[in-house]
Amino acid sequence: AQSVTQPDIHITVSEGASLELRCNYSYGATPYLFWYVQSPGQGLQLLLKYFSGDTLVQGIKGFEAEFKRSQSSFNLRKPSVHWSDAAEYFCAVGGGSSNTGKLIFGQGTTLQVKP
Amino acid sequence: NAGVTQTPKFQVLKTGQSMTLQCAQDMNHEYMSWYRQDPGMGLRLIHYSVGAGITDQGEVPNGYNVSRSTTEDFPLRLLSAAPSQTSVYFCASRRGASGNTIYFGEGSWLTVV
Repeated sequence: AQSVTQPDIHITVSEGASLELRCNYSYGATPYLFWYVQSPGQGLQLLLKYFSGDTLVQGIKGFEAEFKRSQSSFNLRKPSVHWSDAAEYFCAVGGGSSNTGKLIFGQGTTLQVKP
Repeated sequence: NAGVTQTPKFQVLKTGQSMTLQCAQDMNHEYMSWYRQDPGMGLRLIHYSVGAGITDQGEVPNGYNVSRSTTEDFPLRLLSAAPSQTSVYFCASRRGASGNTIYFGEGSWLTVV
């Protein structure tokens, strides 16, 4: 079955510290992988995506993610967190051979940033 | 650029009432979809459409109807609202191939009492 797991429901980091949000997926075909961020009361904004090529992808706001096929993971990282990064983060998988473009989302990770 | 526009932003319904959540996009995207977001469950796909006149069910379609008469519009209908449909609803659209970015609307907060 296709699924996405974000093991950490809530993470708290200090401002300036590094961040890694975990994402594991199960998908039969070649996956397209996405990270979205959602600020309170807002819609979802795409941070980055991977569907081929270099397994380390760069996104907006200083985020990056690394696709590891052997581990079925697509973890999101940022070297130095800013207070404005506090939000909910969603990993999603979809695409591949299907053109329906359906996305399967993880449960989300809420990031809190301490001053 | 308007992008994906959802209306209304907030709505309270009584059990058994019907309503339609509107979604419009001005990017000429073929693919449109509706998701619902519930705490601890991420976003779940309700219905989607790959073009005008074509719709299909997602993960949680029961209690919802959709139609796609034009490329721009993809309304979501609740025929007889139930408290279990209290949620935040997001409309999304995408151009063409699966790897392209999906754009989300700002959400519609629905409460069924």
